[in-house]
Amino acid sequence: EAQVTQNPRYLITVTGKKLTVTCSQNMNHEYMSWYRQDPGLGLRQIYYSMNVEVTDKGDVPEGYKVSRKEKRNFPLILESPSPNQTSLYFCASSLLGHYQPQHFGDGTRLSIL
Amino acid sequence: DQQVKQNSPSLSVQEGRISILNCDYTNSMFDYFLWYKKYPAEGPTFLISISSIKDKNEDGRFTVFLNKSAKHLSLHIVPSQPGDSAVYFCAAKIETSGSRLTFGEGTQLTVNP
Repeated sequence: EAQVTQNPRYLITVTGKKLTVTCSQNMNHEYMSWYRQDPGLGLRQIYYSMNVEVTDKGDVPEGYKVSRKEKRNFPLILESPSPNQTSLYFCASSLLGHYQPQHFGDGTRLSIL
Repeated sequence: DQQVKQNSPSLSVQEGRISILNCDYTNSMFDYFLWYKKYPAEGPTFLISISSIKDKNEDGRFTVFLNKSAKHLSLHIVPSQPGDSAVYFCAAKIETSGSRLTFGEGTQLTVNP
């Protein structure tokens, strides 16, 4: 089954404790992206990647890092999480191309205390 | 600066009636528009799209209309069904910006039996 898999689905942690949210897709997609969803703000892009070893900032990259060492994986790293990063996070992937829709994972709810 | 806006946070309709979800955008460079549907505890799923060279696209019960001069698009669902109850996100792309999507805030649709 074609899918985007995120782990963990839920995480409660404390300020300053480094964490990584993994994202994996099995569709051989070149493009991968991370979004955060906050009430009243919709989905905002954090980082994206057009291919292996190619990453770029989205609209809200502060406090986040990503890497793309393999085509299928695109982890999101919070080196020193803060309470304002409490949010619902989505990973997405697609083929490159203007008319290709993005496929989303089921989300990771992070709570930073 | 919210370039894609969905001004109605929620909409409630009766089963069998028409649901109309609206979306406005400010960036005239947007040339491809998509609607995503999101159920609780799941990621957004692609629903329907429209290119800026068209003013209407239809897929079963779902029709998207685009008014470029007004920078407005709408999603019509006819007839509405209880299973359509979800959050609907409008999104827009610019061909020269690759696969990047800009999302609206979302509208919660509730279809009452």
